[in-house]
Amino acid sequence: AQSVTQPDIHITVSEGASLELRCNYSYGATPYLFWYVQSPGQGLQLLLKYFSGDTLVQGIKGFEAEFKRSQSSFNLRKPSVHWSDAAEYFCAVGGSNYKLTFGKGTLLTVNP
Amino acid sequence: GAGVSQSPSNKVTEKGKDVELRCDPISGHTALYWYRQSLGQGLEFLIYFQGNSAPDKSGLPSDRFSAERTGGSVSTLTIQRTQQEDSAVYLCASSLAGPRETQYFGPGTRLLVL
Repeated sequence: AQSVTQPDIHITVSEGASLELRCNYSYGATPYLFWYVQSPGQGLQLLLKYFSGDTLVQGIKGFEAEFKRSQSSFNLRKPSVHWSDAAEYFCAVGGSNYKLTFGKGTLLTVNP
Repeated sequence: GAGVSQSPSNKVTEKGKDVELRCDPISGHTALYWYRQSLGQGLEFLIYFQGNSAPDKSGLPSDRFSAERTGGSVSTLTIQRTQQEDSAVYLCASSLAGPRETQYFGPGTRLLVL
């Protein structure tokens, strides 16, 4: 069975600080990995995705993520957080079966 | 172009009533998905359509839940005899064919069962 763990329910950072959101997955085959962001009252928006190749992927809004197979991790990073990044972030794993399995999410608060 | 749209945006119903939730996918997207987002369970997969057929209904929580898709476009999720535990946000997504394709999500329907 596929699963995703996001260990941090809530993270608070100061504007301009760096950010790392953790994601660990379990999947029996080659995983497809995704990070989505959900702002209050909004739908989910894809930040980036990984299928194969270069393990460091770049996404929108200055986000990047690194796939580490040995650690079953796909952590999301941003060098300098902006107040508009405050939102909930979801890591998801998928594969040939099409369905996405999401983590429980990490709520990001940005202090001025 | 237009994104995924869902209606209604909010629905309040009484326990035991039936509800229908609608999803209009992005034009040209052959794959359509329903997910449920609730406080206790997070985001859960419900069902996946490829065209009008549903190869994967594994996430439907009970036989009170059903979904159909007609004309390879609009989909309806029906919940019969609603229960309070059905209260959640129901999200629809669509994508081009292929598991690597990005799933684009709609804004969701917030369902409250009293």
